[in-house]
Amino acid sequence: NAGVTQTPKFRILKIGQSMTLQCTQDMNHNYMYWYRQDPGMGLKLIYYSVGAGITDKGEVPNGYNVSRSTTEDFPLRLELAAPSQTSVYFCASSPQDRDQPQHFGDGTRLSIL
Amino acid sequence: AQSVAQPEDQVNVAEGNPLTVKCTYSVSGNPYLFWYVQYPNRGLQFLLKYITGDNLVKGSYGFEAEFNKSQTSFHLKKPSALVSDSALYFCAVRDRGSGNTGKLIFGQGTTLQVKP
Repeated sequence: NAGVTQTPKFRILKIGQSMTLQCTQDMNHNYMYWYRQDPGMGLKLIYYSVGAGITDKGEVPNGYNVSRSTTEDFPLRLELAAPSQTSVYFCASSPQDRDQPQHFGDGTRLSIL
Repeated sequence: AQSVAQPEDQVNVAEGNPLTVKCTYSVSGNPYLFWYVQYPNRGLQFLLKYITGDNLVKGSYGFEAEFNKSQTSFHLKKPSALVSDSALYFCAVRDRGSGNTGKLIFGQGTTLQVKP
């Protein structure tokens, strides 16, 4: 089972460049999430989506954008990359049932230099 | 405000000894609680959850967790630690202030180091 797939696994960007982090899931989950993980800080929610065409801001949305045109895909866009966006980014998905856990991808490690 | 706290940045135990990783929470209403484990260069993996019912819940890899409503705690436990249990552990609670979105609030994480 593929589960949640994130690409690329690693990337180095220059300040001011843009890129899209890809996330796709094959479990037909309605809910999808983007987190960033910084050392000692746990996971911070960037954006989330409860279904195709519906997205909403999380705790730390500034500098990012998302779209959800299909149930399977939830790309995260970085515009004008800044050093503060150096982090590990995780995508997750879950069914609509409130008591079901989230399933995570293996992350994208992004460095902004 | 809803929150989750993991008071220990790191827990060190010897292989074969019991382990406990602590978690306390603050939410309105009944909590939905989760434990996840993260191995190096991997995403988070679900270990176990408490939704309702027995206060002692069992999960993957021999882990269990005890829900204590009066102490607002959900500590992760294992009777006999393995070196392979060394990893980063996260406690999380369902965000009940955002409707049915499935959002989680995570603790800061606790690194478990099991020494041979």
